Amino acid sequence: EIVLTQSPGTLSLSPGERATLSCRASQSVINSYVAWYQQKPGQAPRLLIYGASSRATGIPDRFSGSGSGADFTLTISRLEPEDFAVYYCQQYGRSPATFGPGTKVDIK
Amino acid sequence: EAQLLESGGGLVQPGGSLRLSCATSGFRFSTYAMSWVRQAPGKGLEWVSGIGPSPTNTYYADSVKGRFTISRDNSKNTLYVQMDSLRADDTAVYYCARGSGASPFDGWGQGTLVTVSS
Repeated sequence: EIVLTQSPGTLSLSPGERATLSCRASQSVINSYVAWYQQKPGQAPRLLIYGASSRATGIPDRFSGSGSGADFTLTISRLEPEDFAVYYCQQYGRSPATFGPGTKVDIK
Repeated sequence: EAQLLESGGGLVQPGGSLRLSCATSGFRFSTYAMSWVRQAPGKGLEWVSGIGPSPTNTYYADSVKGRFTISRDNSKNTLYVQMDSLRADDTAVYYCARGSGASPFDGWGQGTLVTVSS
């Protein structure tokens, strides 16, 4: 199965700053089938990005995704207070679908 | 807007069984693949099982193969998972999610907690 590694484990930033989260796959992900999810404490995950760079319905444009092959990035251009959460990447190009361990974005 | 609501979680002894349900509304259930995704306490996400729009196509993670059975009733817009031979490492919040292991999960329920302990 494809193993996803996310870095950093924790990102401490202030509101208004830019956040850059990395997701690296153990092999190339077919068709860049990578998604990003946001999860807040006690809540279900929420889809942010699919196909590496397409925003899901209702997701603000401060969230953007990029990458191809085995390296993918989620960027939050200017952090809002509600953006402090855990972010997971997922690949769905090869069965079984797998998730990364997550990056926690917390307030500095 | 898609709505998914899980039920059936609880405390069960090792070796026991539990059946989870996921009632859905707000979308054409019969045309979507569905999945169960779990999250152990304080841990990350793990895809457990998926089912195509037709109940005949089912998929399982190796960790649950032979113990869990996913099913759906398109007339009731409901997804199920029968969990047998439960182990302590099956303890997790179980989420119902719209999508398969071959597509992103674009809708999630609030989750139901399954605790396997004596």
